[in-house]
Amino acid sequence: NAGVTQTPKFQVLKTGQSMTLQCAQDMNHNSMYWYRQDPGMGLRLIYYSASEGTTDKGEVPNGYNVSRLNKREFSLRLESAAPSQTSVYFCASYREAGGSPLHFGNGTRLTVT
Amino acid sequence: EDKVVQSPLSLVVHEGDTVTLNCSYEVTNFRSLLWYKQEKKAPTFLFMLTSSGIEKKSGRLSSILDKKELFSILNITATQTGDSAVYLCAVGVYTGTASKLTFGTGTRLQVTL
Repeated sequence: NAGVTQTPKFQVLKTGQSMTLQCAQDMNHNSMYWYRQDPGMGLRLIYYSASEGTTDKGEVPNGYNVSRLNKREFSLRLESAAPSQTSVYFCASYREAGGSPLHFGNGTRLTVT
Repeated sequence: EDKVVQSPLSLVVHEGDTVTLNCSYEVTNFRSLLWYKQEKKAPTFLFMLTSSGIEKKSGRLSSILDKKELFSILNITATQTGDSAVYLCAVGVYTGTASKLTFGTGTRLQVTL
């Protein structure tokens, strides 16, 4: 099983450019999440999705949009990148029943110049 | 607003020492508390705690939860250099549609020879 797969692994953008980070999980989990991690700040929740077609804001949603097209995929879009969005982004998924832990992808390191 | 606070922020110990990492929380609709270890990449799962007073153990690591006092500890005995990492505490709450994990900023542990 691949688990949670994120692409790309690295990306450099210029200020104002747009891009989409892709995430897919093959564990049949209902809930999916996007976090960002900055030095000294821990992991902060950007958006999450309880099921296909539903999304909710987390702690730091400004400057981002998300799309949950189907159960497997949850994408994060930066419409106009800013240097403050330089960070490591993690996608994660979670099965609501059964008490399983959050499963993380390997992360995307994004630099905005 | 949900809050998770970890202490200490960083710690340097000698190999063989025992360490205790702390996590306190203030959240609404508590569901679970999780510990993760993070080295260079994505966090890896250590423990999930849902009931007070029941110790979870895995090798030299153990953890316990106190739901009355709203905290958890992670103990590592006979530390090794391979234990050097950032240890993250996360608290899961249920929003009515999905579980949401809020992370602390982490404790950076360095184990020296």
